[in-house]
Amino acid sequence: DVKVTQSSRYLVKRTGEKVFLECVQDMDHENMFWYRQDPGLGLRLIYFSYDVKMKEKGDIPEGYSVSREKKERFSLILESASTNQTSMYLCASSLGGSLNTEAFFGQGTRLTVV
Amino acid sequence: AQSVAQPEDQVNVAEGNPLTVKCTYSVSGNPYLFWYVQYPNRGLQFLLKYITGDNLVKGSYGFEAEFNKSQTSFHLKKPSALVSDSALYFCAVRGGSTGFQKLVFGTGTRLLVSP
Repeated sequence: DVKVTQSSRYLVKRTGEKVFLECVQDMDHENMFWYRQDPGLGLRLIYFSYDVKMKEKGDIPEGYSVSREKKERFSLILESASTNQTSMYLCASSLGGSLNTEAFFGQGTRLTVV
Repeated sequence: AQSVAQPEDQVNVAEGNPLTVKCTYSVSGNPYLFWYVQYPNRGLQFLLKYITGDNLVKGSYGFEAEFNKSQTSFHLKKPSALVSDSALYFCAVRGGSTGFQKLVFGTGTRLLVSP
């Protein structure tokens, strides 16, 4: 089975801190994604990556950056955490080269910025 | 750009009754459509997808979805609901001439199945 693992289930950080959210997948998928989930807004794409060191902005990239140095790992970075970044963060991966492959999700990281 | 609409925030159904969760989409070109389910404090689980071919797609846990090109809809259905089906359901679309690989989600529909 595909496994997408996010390093933390719950995080509490202070305003202004630099925050790293880590995600690892074990199925050699080319594509990896970071979404945030907020009530009433569904899932919004922050960044995605289709290859090592390749990244593209999603719909809400402001205040975030990403890193993909290895194929299996995709990190989301909050450069200076703010309270409006309190949210559930979901990482996902999928096979590349086709539009018809489903994405597999991690269990989510609930981040609270105080 | 592609988009997905889930017009109902919540759907209530009694156990044993059929259920429908609605989804409409907008995309240029051929759509690739997906349904996911999310249980409390968990990530999303894949239920089913439409690629091409039969308009009725069967998926996990007895769910199915009907693709209707003329109405640009992809409604999720189940003939007989279970209390354990209560969860948050997301429709998603991928396709179009730009944003290759990007998967766009709807806002979600909460399904509540009462005993």
